Amino acid sequence: DVVMTQSPLSLPVTLGQPASISCRSSQSLVNSHGNTYLSWFQQRPGQSPRRLIYRVSNRDSGVPDRISGSGSGTDFTLKISRVEAEDVGVYYCMQDTHWPITFGQGTKLEI
Amino acid sequence: EVQLVESGGGLVQPGGSLRLSCAAAGLTFSGYWMNWVRQAPGKGLEWVANIKPDGSKQYYVESVKGRFTISRDFAKNSLYLQMNSLRAEDTAVYYCAGVDDSSSYWGQGTLVTVSS
Repeated sequence: DVVMTQSPLSLPVTLGQPASISCRSSQSLVNSHGNTYLSWFQQRPGQSPRRLIYRVSNRDSGVPDRISGSGSGTDFTLKISRVEAEDVGVYYCMQDTHWPITFGQGTKLEI
Repeated sequence: EVQLVESGGGLVQPGGSLRLSCAAAGLTFSGYWMNWVRQAPGKGLEWVANIKPDGSKQYYVESVKGRFTISRDFAKNSLYLQMNSLRAEDTAVYYCAGVDDSSSYWGQGTLVTVSS
């Protein structure tokens, strides 16, 4: 199975400041067609997960443009340019290039 | 508005069975991969199973193979997870999630507790 390793696991931030989460996979997430299936999810306290980013850098509908995804191969990053109070929660990366689908351990972002 | 509503969770003894349901509304059900993802209390997310948009193929995480069966009913716009031979480690909130090329929708989850 592909192991997804996130860092840091806990991320204290200041409102208005940037934040960055790293996600590394144990093998390349590029498939035979050249596509990379790496997504990012946000889970606010007491809520269901919500996808933010798909295929490395595509924002889902309604996701503010201060949230962005980047990376390639085995190394990926989620960035928040200016943290707001609504960003508090746990962030997960997920790969679905290879079976089984696997998630990272989660990164808890707190103000 | 898209809605995914799970039901069927509850308390069950080890070795018992449960059938989870997920009713979908507001989306073209036949266009979505449908997934079950679980979250044990205080833990992270674990993908459990999914089924292709046309229902022709199902995939499972190794730990549930042979015990869980995912299925979908296009007439009822519903997704199911039949869970047999349940173990304590299956205790979790189970989420239903629908995914297509550019969208992803999740339900509110249903709690399954396996305990004697």
